Amino acid sequence: GAVVSQHPSWVICKSGTSVKIECRSLDFQATTMFWYRQFPKQSLMLMATSNEGSKATYEQGVEKDKFLINHASLTLSTLTVTSAHPEDSSFYICSARGGVTDTQYFGPGTRLTVL
Amino acid sequence: DQQVKQNSPSLSVQEGRISILNCDYTNSMFDYFLWYKKYPAEGPTFLISISSIKDKNEDGRFTVFLNKSAKHLSLHIVPSQPGDSAVYFCAASARTGGADGLTFGKGTHLIIQP
Repeated sequence: GAVVSQHPSWVICKSGTSVKIECRSLDFQATTMFWYRQFPKQSLMLMATSNEGSKATYEQGVEKDKFLINHASLTLSTLTVTSAHPEDSSFYICSARGGVTDTQYFGPGTRLTVL
Repeated sequence: DQQVKQNSPSLSVQEGRISILNCDYTNSMFDYFLWYKKYPAEGPTFLISISSIKDKNEDGRFTVFLNKSAKHLSLHIVPSQPGDSAVYFCAASARTGGADGLTFGKGTHLIIQP
């Protein structure tokens, strides 16, 4: 139980385009989902907290107009990287809070490369 | 300034022996701690957690110890198995169950040698 999926698993895009990443909790409902980013050899850094039906809360230094988050249902949150630039290339990971232990379960991540 | 620190980037342990991974934190508001295991290009997998009201939590081969006064926790894996080779992240939250976003350490790469 407590499986979280992400789609796509990797994406390559041109600079200036927008990319949407989906995060789904497959076997439980998640009122809260989180988005993290990991640069090479660095730790996971929290970008934003997403609650179903309300606006996301962004961490300091994360541009909300650039990283659009939508949490439309209890099982789906999306992250859209708008006007992507090479410096946005990173590993994006979502997590969903719920399951038997009510802790955060992570998706497999999405590797974004912006050319 | 890093609020969660894992000072050992890597650790090599012989199969069958005990693996001890350490983690220190600076934020006294942290109330809940978790350990995750991660393989390259995959998301972290939850291993075990501990609330600040406890000093020990055990689950099979995994035991987490918390020393709140020293702001230190450790993960013990015994006996260590080859499949345990991965990067282990320590994470902390100011709310039980990780209701808030987690603050992660940089990870320790555990290598289990046959």
